[in-house]
Amino acid sequence: SQQGEEDPQALSIQEGENATMNCSYKTSINNLQWYRQNSGRGLVHLILIRSNEREKHSGRLRVTLDTSKKSSSLLITASRAADTASYFCATDAGGGAQKLVFGQGTRLTINP
Amino acid sequence: GAGVSQSPSNKVTEKGKDVELRCDPISGHTALYWYRQSLGQGLEFLIYFQGNSAPDKSGLPSDRFSAERTGGSVSTLTIQRTQQEDSAVYLCASSLVTRGSASVSGNTIYFGEGSWLTVV
Repeated sequence: SQQGEEDPQALSIQEGENATMNCSYKTSINNLQWYRQNSGRGLVHLILIRSNEREKHSGRLRVTLDTSKKSSSLLITASRAADTASYFCATDAGGGAQKLVFGQGTRLTINP
Repeated sequence: GAGVSQSPSNKVTEKGKDVELRCDPISGHTALYWYRQSLGQGLEFLIYFQGNSAPDKSGLPSDRFSAERTGGSVSTLTIQRTQQEDSAVYLCASSLVTRGSASVSGNTIYFGEGSWLTVV
Protein backbone atom coordinates (compact mmCIF):
# COMPACT_ATOMS: atom_id res chain seq x y z
CA SER A 1 0.00 0.00 0.00
CA GLN A 2 1.08 3.58 -0.53
CA GLN A 3 3.10 5.05 2.29
CA GLY A 4 2.08 8.61 1.61
CA GLU A 5 -1.50 9.67 1.13
CA GLU A 6 -2.16 13.21 -0.01
CA ASP A 7 -5.27 15.12 0.81
CA PRO A 8 -7.13 16.57 -0.99
CA GLN A 9 -6.76 14.74 -4.28
CA ALA A 10 -7.63 17.93 -6.12
CA LEU A 11 -7.69 21.57 -5.06
CA SER A 12 -8.82 24.59 -7.04
CA ILE A 13 -8.33 28.12 -5.69
CA GLN A 14 -8.09 31.70 -6.90
CA GLU A 15 -4.77 33.34 -7.62
CA GLY A 16 -3.43 35.06 -4.53
CA GLU A 17 -5.03 32.66 -2.08
CA ASN A 18 -3.04 30.21 0.00
CA ALA A 19 -3.04 26.51 -0.86
CA THR A 20 -2.63 23.81 1.76
CA MET A 21 -1.98 20.17 0.96
CA ASN A 22 -1.65 17.39 3.49
CA CYS A 23 0.21 14.11 3.52
CA SER A 24 -0.14 11.19 5.89
CA TYR A 25 2.14 8.19 6.15
CA LYS A 26 2.24 4.92 8.00
CA THR A 27 5.75 3.99 9.12
CA SER A 28 8.63 5.77 10.81
CA ILE A 29 10.64 7.96 8.50
CA ASN A 30 14.03 9.63 8.30
CA ASN A 31 12.78 12.49 6.19
CA LEU A 32 9.85 13.59 4.07
CA GLN A 33 10.12 15.40 0.78
CA TRP A 34 7.69 17.32 -1.40
CA TYR A 35 7.88 17.26 -5.18
CA ARG A 36 6.07 19.09 -7.93
CA GLN A 37 5.12 17.65 -11.31
CA ASN A 38 3.96 19.56 -14.33
CA SER A 39 1.94 17.89 -17.06
CA GLY A 40 2.70 14.34 -15.95
CA ARG A 41 6.40 14.51 -16.72
CA GLY A 42 9.49 14.87 -14.55
CA LEU A 43 9.28 15.72 -10.89
CA VAL A 44 11.04 18.67 -9.33
CA HIS A 45 12.23 18.56 -5.75
CA LEU A 46 10.75 21.36 -3.63
CA ILE A 47 11.75 20.84 -0.04
CA LEU A 48 12.99 18.20 2.41
CA ILE A 49 12.16 18.10 6.10
CA ARG A 50 14.00 15.79 8.48
CA SER A 51 12.26 13.71 11.10
CA ASN A 52 13.71 15.88 13.86
CA GLU A 53 12.38 19.10 12.31
CA ARG A 54 8.88 20.50 12.76
CA GLU A 55 8.74 23.30 10.24
CA LYS A 56 10.71 24.50 7.26
CA HIS A 57 10.40 27.43 4.88
CA SER A 58 11.54 28.01 1.34
CA GLY A 59 10.32 31.14 -0.39
CA ARG A 60 6.53 30.94 -0.56
CA LEU A 61 6.58 27.33 0.66
CA ARG A 62 6.08 26.26 4.24
CA VAL A 63 6.25 22.63 5.28
CA THR A 64 5.33 21.20 8.64
CA LEU A 65 5.93 17.74 10.00
CA ASP A 66 4.15 16.08 12.91
CA THR A 67 5.79 12.72 13.52
CA SER A 68 3.37 11.87 16.33
CA LYS A 69 0.47 12.09 13.86
CA LYS A 70 2.58 10.84 10.94
CA SER A 71 1.51 13.78 8.84
CA SER A 72 2.94 16.70 6.93
CA SER A 73 1.49 19.74 5.25
CA LEU A 74 2.66 21.91 2.39
CA LEU A 75 1.47 25.50 2.32
CA ILE A 76 1.93 27.68 -0.74
CA THR A 77 1.27 31.31 0.07
CA ALA A 78 0.10 33.97 -2.37
CA SER A 79 -0.50 31.40 -5.09
CA ARG A 80 0.17 32.14 -8.74
CA ALA A 81 -1.18 30.61 -11.92
CA ALA A 82 2.27 29.08 -12.49
CA ASP A 83 1.85 27.04 -9.30
CA THR A 84 -0.70 24.89 -11.12
CA ALA A 85 0.74 21.37 -10.97
CA SER A 86 0.53 18.09 -9.09
CA TYR A 87 2.26 17.94 -5.74
CA PHE A 88 3.56 14.73 -4.20
CA CYS A 89 4.94 13.89 -0.81
CA ALA A 90 7.58 11.19 -0.57
CA THR A 91 8.87 9.46 2.51
CA ASP A 92 12.30 8.02 3.10
CA ALA A 93 12.19 5.24 5.66
CA GLY A 94 15.95 4.95 5.69
CA GLY A 95 17.73 1.62 5.83
CA GLY A 96 20.31 2.87 3.41
CA ALA A 97 18.24 2.28 0.28
CA GLN A 98 17.06 5.87 -0.12
CA LYS A 99 13.95 4.35 -1.63
CA LEU A 100 11.36 7.09 -1.64
CA VAL A 101 7.72 6.05 -1.40
CA PHE A 102 5.36 8.48 -3.08
CA GLY A 103 1.75 9.30 -2.43
CA GLN A 104 -0.94 9.70 -5.08
CA GLY A 105 -0.52 13.44 -5.26
CA THR A 106 -2.70 16.53 -5.06
CA ARG A 107 -3.70 18.20 -8.28
CA LEU A 108 -3.59 21.96 -7.64
CA THR A 109 -5.26 24.39 -10.02
CA ILE A 110 -4.78 28.12 -9.58
CA ASN A 111 -7.45 30.16 -11.35
CA PRO A 112 -6.38 33.59 -12.62
CA GLY B 1 24.91 16.30 -18.96
CA ALA B 2 23.17 18.90 -16.88
CA GLY B 3 20.23 16.72 -15.94
CA VAL B 4 18.88 13.21 -16.08
CA SER B 5 18.28 12.26 -19.69
CA GLN B 6 15.79 9.62 -20.77
CA SER B 7 15.04 8.13 -24.16
CA PRO B 8 12.82 7.65 -25.96
CA SER B 9 10.42 10.37 -24.81
CA ASN B 10 7.52 8.47 -26.25
CA LYS B 11 7.21 4.89 -27.40
CA VAL B 12 4.24 3.11 -28.93
CA THR B 13 4.64 -0.62 -29.19
CA GLU B 14 2.50 -3.60 -30.03
CA LYS B 15 1.45 -5.99 -27.33
CA GLY B 16 3.95 -8.82 -27.02
CA LYS B 17 6.95 -6.84 -28.24
CA ASP B 18 9.98 -6.07 -26.08
CA VAL B 19 10.96 -2.49 -25.28
CA GLU B 20 14.09 -0.87 -23.89
CA LEU B 21 14.09 2.44 -22.08
CA ARG B 22 17.32 4.27 -21.45
CA CYS B 23 18.42 6.56 -18.64
CA ASP B 24 21.55 8.67 -18.50
CA PRO B 25 21.94 9.99 -14.94
CA ILE B 26 23.64 13.15 -13.81
CA SER B 27 27.40 12.73 -14.02
CA GLY B 28 28.86 11.60 -10.72
CA HIS B 29 25.56 10.46 -9.20
CA THR B 30 25.99 7.03 -7.70
CA ALA B 31 22.33 6.24 -7.09
CA LEU B 32 19.84 5.58 -9.87
CA TYR B 33 16.14 4.84 -9.57
CA TRP B 34 13.36 3.72 -11.87
CA TYR B 35 9.75 4.57 -11.08
CA ARG B 36 6.54 3.96 -12.97
CA GLN B 37 3.56 6.28 -13.03
CA SER B 38 0.23 5.31 -14.49
CA LEU B 39 -2.14 8.03 -15.68
CA GLY B 40 -3.28 10.20 -12.79
CA GLN B 41 -1.53 8.04 -10.21
CA GLY B 42 1.41 8.34 -7.89
CA LEU B 43 4.86 6.95 -8.51
CA GLU B 44 5.50 3.25 -8.12
CA PHE B 45 9.05 2.25 -7.18
CA LEU B 46 10.60 -0.30 -9.53
CA ILE B 47 14.33 -0.67 -8.94
CA TYR B 48 17.26 1.11 -7.28
CA PHE B 49 20.97 0.96 -8.08
CA GLN B 50 23.64 2.26 -5.73
CA GLY B 51 27.28 2.06 -6.72
CA ASN B 52 28.54 -1.49 -6.95
CA SER B 53 25.97 -2.89 -4.55
CA ALA B 54 23.37 -5.40 -5.65
CA PRO B 55 20.32 -3.52 -6.95
CA ASP B 56 17.10 -3.37 -4.98
CA LYS B 57 14.65 -5.04 -7.38
CA SER B 58 11.81 -5.32 -4.92
CA GLY B 59 9.49 -3.10 -6.94
CA LEU B 60 9.65 -4.89 -10.27
CA PRO B 61 6.08 -6.07 -10.96
CA SER B 62 6.96 -9.27 -12.82
CA ASP B 63 9.84 -11.22 -14.32
CA ARG B 64 9.11 -9.51 -17.64
CA PHE B 65 10.80 -6.45 -16.18
CA SER B 66 14.56 -6.18 -15.80
CA ALA B 67 17.11 -3.41 -15.55
CA GLU B 68 20.82 -3.08 -15.71
CA ARG B 69 23.29 -0.34 -15.10
CA THR B 70 26.53 -0.59 -17.02
CA GLY B 71 29.72 0.99 -15.77
CA GLY B 72 27.89 2.63 -12.91
CA SER B 73 26.30 5.16 -15.24
CA VAL B 74 23.74 4.53 -17.99
CA SER B 75 20.81 2.26 -17.15
CA THR B 76 18.43 0.35 -19.37
CA LEU B 77 14.99 -0.82 -18.28
CA THR B 78 13.74 -3.72 -20.39
CA ILE B 79 10.14 -4.88 -20.57
CA GLN B 80 9.65 -8.19 -22.35
CA ARG B 81 6.42 -9.32 -23.97
CA THR B 82 4.71 -6.02 -23.21
CA GLN B 83 1.11 -5.98 -22.03
CA GLN B 84 -1.43 -3.15 -22.20
CA GLU B 85 -1.20 -2.68 -18.43
CA ASP B 86 2.47 -1.76 -18.88
CA SER B 87 1.37 1.52 -20.47
CA ALA B 88 2.67 4.28 -18.22
CA VAL B 89 5.33 6.92 -17.84
CA TYR B 90 8.62 5.41 -16.75
CA LEU B 91 10.65 7.89 -14.74
CA CYS B 92 14.34 7.63 -14.02
CA ALA B 93 16.05 9.58 -11.26
CA SER B 94 19.52 9.90 -9.81
CA SER B 95 21.07 11.24 -6.66
CA LEU B 96 24.46 11.73 -5.06
CA VAL B 97 24.48 9.54 -1.99
CA THR B 98 26.97 10.58 0.64
CA ARG B 99 28.09 8.18 3.31
CA GLY B 100 27.22 8.67 6.94
CA SER B 101 24.73 11.48 6.79
CA ALA B 102 22.57 10.19 3.94
CA SER B 103 20.09 8.29 6.05
CA VAL B 104 19.35 11.32 8.20
CA SER B 105 19.77 14.26 5.88
CA GLY B 106 18.48 12.63 2.78
CA ASN B 107 19.59 13.48 -0.70
CA THR B 108 17.73 15.38 -3.36
CA ILE B 109 16.65 13.09 -6.15
CA TYR B 110 16.67 14.52 -9.65
CA PHE B 111 14.17 13.16 -12.13
CA GLY B 112 14.30 12.90 -15.88
CA GLU B 113 11.35 13.88 -18.05
CA GLY B 114 10.24 10.30 -18.37
CA SER B 115 9.51 7.86 -21.17
CA TRP B 116 5.82 7.57 -22.04
CA LEU B 117 5.11 3.97 -23.06
CA THR B 118 1.89 3.04 -24.82
CA VAL B 119 1.19 -0.62 -25.53
CA VAL B 120 -1.48 -1.15 -28.18
